[in-house]
Amino acid sequence: DVKVTQSSRYLVKRTGEKVFLECVQDMDHENMFWYRQDPGLGLRLIYFSYDVKMKEKGDIPEGYSVSREKKERFSLILESASTNQTSMYLCASSLSSSGSYNEQFFGPGTRLTVL
Amino acid sequence: AQSVTQPDIHITVSEGASLELRCNYSYGATPYLFWYVQSPGQGLQLLLKYFSGDTLVQGIKGFEAEFKRSQSSFNLRKPSVHWSDAAEYFCAVGDDNNNDMRFGAGTRLTVKP
Repeated sequence: DVKVTQSSRYLVKRTGEKVFLECVQDMDHENMFWYRQDPGLGLRLIYFSYDVKMKEKGDIPEGYSVSREKKERFSLILESASTNQTSMYLCASSLSSSGSYNEQFFGPGTRLTVL
Repeated sequence: AQSVTQPDIHITVSEGASLELRCNYSYGATPYLFWYVQSPGQGLQLLLKYFSGDTLVQGIKGFEAEFKRSQSSFNLRKPSVHWSDAAEYFCAVGDDNNNDMRFGAGTRLTVKP
């Protein structure tokens, strides 16, 4: 089974702090994704990556950056955390495909609170 | 770009009753459709998916969904709900151009004893 792990289940940070959220997958997937989940809004894509050192902006990249130095690891970085970034963050991964589509496998999520 | 609408924010059903959760999508080509479930405090688990072929797809935990192209719908059904089905359910559509995925806002299911 695919396993996607996230470094923390719960995290509390202060406004202005730099925050790192880590995600690791163990199935050699090419694609990795970061979403934030807010009530009534579903999941919104922040960034995704198709390969090591590659990244693409999603729908809401402002205030976030990402890093993918190794295939299995995808980090989300909040350069200067703000209270409106309080949310549930979900990481996902999927196999790459051409002309088709592969479902995404999700980690358990990190609930971040910014005070 | 693709999009997904889940018209019902919250649904309450009695245990043992049937369930239907609605999902409508917008996508130009043949869609890749998914239903995920999220139990409280957990990540998303795939219930079922539709890529092509038979429009009635079976999933885990006794769920099924029917793809209706004419209605742009992919509704999730279960004939008899169990208390453990209480969760949030997300419909999603995938894009084979870039492996992107769009989610609906979710439907929260409450099961009454």
